[in-house]
Amino acid sequence: DVKVTQSSRYLVKRTGEKVFLECVQDMDHENMFWYRQDPGLGLRLIYFSYDVKMKEKGDIPEGYSVSREKKERFSLILESASTNQTSMYLCASSYPHGSDTQYFGPGTRLTVL
Amino acid sequence: DQQVKQNSPSLSVQEGRISILNCDYTNSMFDYFLWYKKYPAEGPTFLISISSIKDKNEDGRFTVFLNKSAKHLSLHIVPSQPGDSAVYFCAALSQGGSEKLVFGKGTKLTVNP
Repeated sequence: DVKVTQSSRYLVKRTGEKVFLECVQDMDHENMFWYRQDPGLGLRLIYFSYDVKMKEKGDIPEGYSVSREKKERFSLILESASTNQTSMYLCASSYPHGSDTQYFGPGTRLTVL
Repeated sequence: DQQVKQNSPSLSVQEGRISILNCDYTNSMFDYFLWYKKYPAEGPTFLISISSIKDKNEDGRFTVFLNKSAKHLSLHIVPSQPGDSAVYFCAALSQGGSEKLVFGKGTKLTVNP
């Protein structure tokens, strides 16, 4: 059974703080993704990675960076959190081909005050 | 520019009846389509997919229909059950392109007992 875990279910941070969101998958998937979900906007891709140390910008990368030092772990970094980054953050992983199913973690509800 | 559109933010049906969720897309390069289901406080889970070489794919109570000429797909759930109440996301990708999933904004389905 595929498992994607995220370090926190709920997180509250202050404006200007540096925030780390961690994601770990146990299926040896090459691809990993970070999305944010906002009401009325659906899922929007922030960044994805198709291999260790490789990354590509998604649709809304501004204000975010990522790190993938190991195959199983993909980190999302908010360099200086802002209130408009309050959102649900979802991590996903999959095998290399786009048609392969993406498996999602439970999400992290981040609130920036 | 929204490439995948789910024009109905919500849908309410009676238990036992058919639920039809619709999705339109604008990018003619999309050739693979997926539906994901999301319960509150959980990550999305894959439900069913269809390749552009088909016009129908069925899995138990769930059937997806694809009309390429109209750039339209629909998810049918028959019979609907209260446990089907969730947000449903339509997603599309171009397998020869970036292979990134593009999600719609989602439709919240409520199945009333």
